[in-house]
Parts: sequence; structure tokens; C-alpha cells
Amino acid sequence: DGGITQSPKYLFRKEGQNVTLSCEQNLNHDAMYWYRQDPGQGLRLIYYSQIVNDFQKGDIAEGYSVSREKKESFPLTVTSAQKNPTAFYLCASSTQGIYEQYFGPGTRLTVT
Amino acid sequence: AQSVTQPDIHITVSEGASLELRCNYSYGATPYLFWYVQSPGQGLQLLLKYFSGDTLVQGIKGFEAEFKRSQSSFNLRKPSVHWSDAAEYFCAVGAFGNEKLTFGTGTRLTIIP
Repeated sequence: DGGITQSPKYLFRKEGQNVTLSCEQNLNHDAMYWYRQDPGQGLRLIYYSQIVNDFQKGDIAEGYSVSREKKESFPLTVTSAQKNPTAFYLCASSTQGIYEQYFGPGTRLTVT
Repeated sequence: AQSVTQPDIHITVSEGASLELRCNYSYGATPYLFWYVQSPGQGLQLLLKYFSGDTLVQGIKGFEAEFKRSQSSFNLRKPSVHWSDAAEYFCAVGAFGNEKLTFGTGTRLTIIP
């Protein structure tokens, strides 16, 4: 089955540690996205990538970093510089010219 | 810049009753509009989309939405809700040549027996 995989589903870290969230897709989609979801705030775009080895900042990129070395993979690193990292993180993908995005199941990150 | 407003944070509907969730967008050109549904702790699932053409679009799970350019709205409707429709619903707007979507803050739907 084609789809988007995010792992792990739950992630716990201590403050001051960097943590990397995984996102893999086998839909052969060109574009991939990372969103952060907090209660009452909808989805906010962190980073997106339309092609391998290229990515752009979204609305709330500070404290996050990404890489896009393979078409299928778009990992997100939450760095210690992110002031409030506890949130639900969603990865999505889309293909060029087709604007709907397909979402993974999400990773809930808790930092204490 | 494009924006989306979902004025209702939380709606409660009786099972079997009709439903309408409101979505207003702001965008200068012809928008691409979407409705997504999210169950607790899950990802988002696309319900329906509007790109052009017929302003009444049908989606999955018995949902439909109507694009009204004069009102800058794209409201989601269902004639008779089921308990399984309880979830959070997000409206999103995009545009030709812009792969990014802008999401509303969501409407949480509760179904009562």
C-alpha cells in the first residue's frame, strides 16, 4: 500500500536534546512538508521541499532543521533552540500540479 | 497572502441531524479549496476539494461543499451525521503555482445521541 510513514508515534525527550522525526513516503511524490499542530492553532508550516536537495522555510522554521537527500525521505530535527517543542508533528506530501496533500499519522513529541 | 477562517471552534449536533461547517477564505485569485478531517491523534484525511467548474463538490463519507465566490466561502455539509463523524475538520486554501496550503484553525464536531 502506498502512503506516508512517520515514526515513532510517541517520542519523549529531555530539554536541551536534539531529536529527529522520521517521515517516509512511497507515493513517488515530489513535494514534502512538515507541520506543527497545537490545540486551537490549526496546522502551521515548518519546512517544505519541492525537490531533492532543496527545501524552504515555512512560517515557523526557527529551532528546526530538515534535509532532503532522497525523494522518499524528509526527516525533521527539533533542536534545543526550539523554545516550545512539545507538539503534534505532521508530515505530508504532494505531487507537482496536484495540490492536495496527503498526510502521515503524526508524531507526538513531548519534551520535559 | 491567503488566509482561512473557520468561525466555529466547536459544534455539537445530534446524530441524524444535518451539519454545516463554515469556512471563509481570503485570496485575490481563484483559490483551490479543501476540506480535511482528523480523528484524535491521527493524521488528516482529505474529504473533498474544489479547483474549478461545478461549485458544488461531492466528497467521501457523504460530505459535500459549495464554493460561493461572492461570499468567499466554502462550507461543508452533510444531510445526516453519524456518530463516526465526530472529529476535527479543517478547511484549507491553496492557489495555482503555489504548492503550499494555508489551513484554518479547525472546527471540532461532537455528535450526541
